[in-house]
Amino acid sequence: DQQVKQNSPSLSVQEGRISILNCDYTNSMFDYFLWYKKYPAEGPTFLISISSIKDKNEDGRFTVFLNKSAKHLSLHIVPSQPGDSAVYFCAATNPGGKLIFGQGTELSVKP
Amino acid sequence: DAGVIQSPRHEVTEMGQEVTLRCKPISGHDYLFWYRQTMMRGLELLIYFNNNVPIDDSGMPEDRFSAKMPNASFSTLKIQPSEPRDSAVYFCASSSSMSSYNEQFFGPGTRLTVL
Repeated sequence: DQQVKQNSPSLSVQEGRISILNCDYTNSMFDYFLWYKKYPAEGPTFLISISSIKDKNEDGRFTVFLNKSAKHLSLHIVPSQPGDSAVYFCAATNPGGKLIFGQGTELSVKP
Repeated sequence: DAGVIQSPRHEVTEMGQEVTLRCKPISGHDYLFWYRQTMMRGLELLIYFNNNVPIDDSGMPEDRFSAKMPNASFSTLKIQPSEPRDSAVYFCASSSSMSSYNEQFFGPGTRLTVL
């Protein structure tokens, strides 16, 4: 039973354009949402997060949007750069602090 | 700080053999996590420790899997006997707390192939 779902295994975007990665969740008890980024042969690294009491959080080129009624969040990268090519994992935490990850979306930014 | 260290980075073994994966967390971190990455399910939490004590092992798939943390700087994940379906990338992570917004730091992973 996948509580956090990333339905797009891959996404290809042109350099300079916007990348939008999507994530859906089923558990309304999740209180924090995070995005991790993973390069090949490396472990995931934290990118950006958002509390369930907010609907937007911005950090430079990265913005995360949360729609609680739809149980949906998205990560926007503007403008996309070739160095952004990686696998992006959406994750959520329950009140106990356990991280529940999605399957990941592989982003490819082409020059 | 060297970050979370895992060994080996790659492991190829035959079905039925015992496999031991190793992890050294970041010094001072009280929480250690073991995850498994597969294409179908993404990153799954297998077990986590707090101050060397296993807290939640509900993600451990079968009795063939076991994990230990004999001290604050070392943990092992053992699979015995291994099966081809255990082939995956196994990550170890550590953090300083279990608060919802607290970042977990991941090691580079061990890619396990069971033939």
